[in-house]
Amino acid sequence: AQKITQTQPGMFVQEKEAVTLDCTYDTSDPSYGLFWYKQPSSGEMIFLIYQGSYDQQNATEGRYSLNFQKARKSANLVISASQLGDSAMYFCAMREGFSGTYKYIFGTGTRLKVLA
Amino acid sequence: GAVVSQHPSWVICKSGTSVKIECRSLDFQATTMFWYRQFPKQSLMLMATSNEGSKATYEQGVEKDKFLINHASLTLSTLTVTSAHPEDSSFYICSASGGFNTGELFFGEGSRLTVL
Repeated sequence: AQKITQTQPGMFVQEKEAVTLDCTYDTSDPSYGLFWYKQPSSGEMIFLIYQGSYDQQNATEGRYSLNFQKARKSANLVISASQLGDSAMYFCAMREGFSGTYKYIFGTGTRLKVLA
Repeated sequence: GAVVSQHPSWVICKSGTSVKIECRSLDFQATTMFWYRQFPKQSLMLMATSNEGSKATYEQGVEKDKFLINHASLTLSTLTVTSAHPEDSSFYICSASGGFNTGELFFGEGSRLTVL
């Protein structure tokens, strides 16, 4: 069974608009972390935002916010005021396990294209 | 954020030769390093997890004699693709965890291997 599911292979958004990238996860661990990474065409993985399973508030980092709905096991990424440079592949990831035995699982990704 | 450097970025080799890829954490001690493989337009596939001074833990289906991983120090891990064949051509990307509060992964730039 997929532990991290990203159901949108590709998304389009108009420049300056907001866009939501979906991510659902599956784990029985009480403690876990959720991450979003951006991968431009050059290949490097860029950390965007982190949400801990015990965090009460949704994480925000500049134009990025994470809509964390624990009961629904979803961790959607919201990008506000999209820019052309946001066009990239976006991966949702989950960290399971304990410090020293962490395992990171990645979703299949969503390719975002920002239109001028 | 923390910096992980991966070298080389690109490598082309002949079938049957071995290729070594280095992954260095430049400004923190990486207790754990992860090696991923990424096929075009696909997600990151975890190959192995290495902890400094101990043997790497390989994921199911990954040949440990084919992909030799050494984590000799807290700042350096190497992946050696032995007797490379064209099917080993891929994008290999390392990441490191330094035990920060979020357990965030820091990624190297990736290495694109082409085996002729």
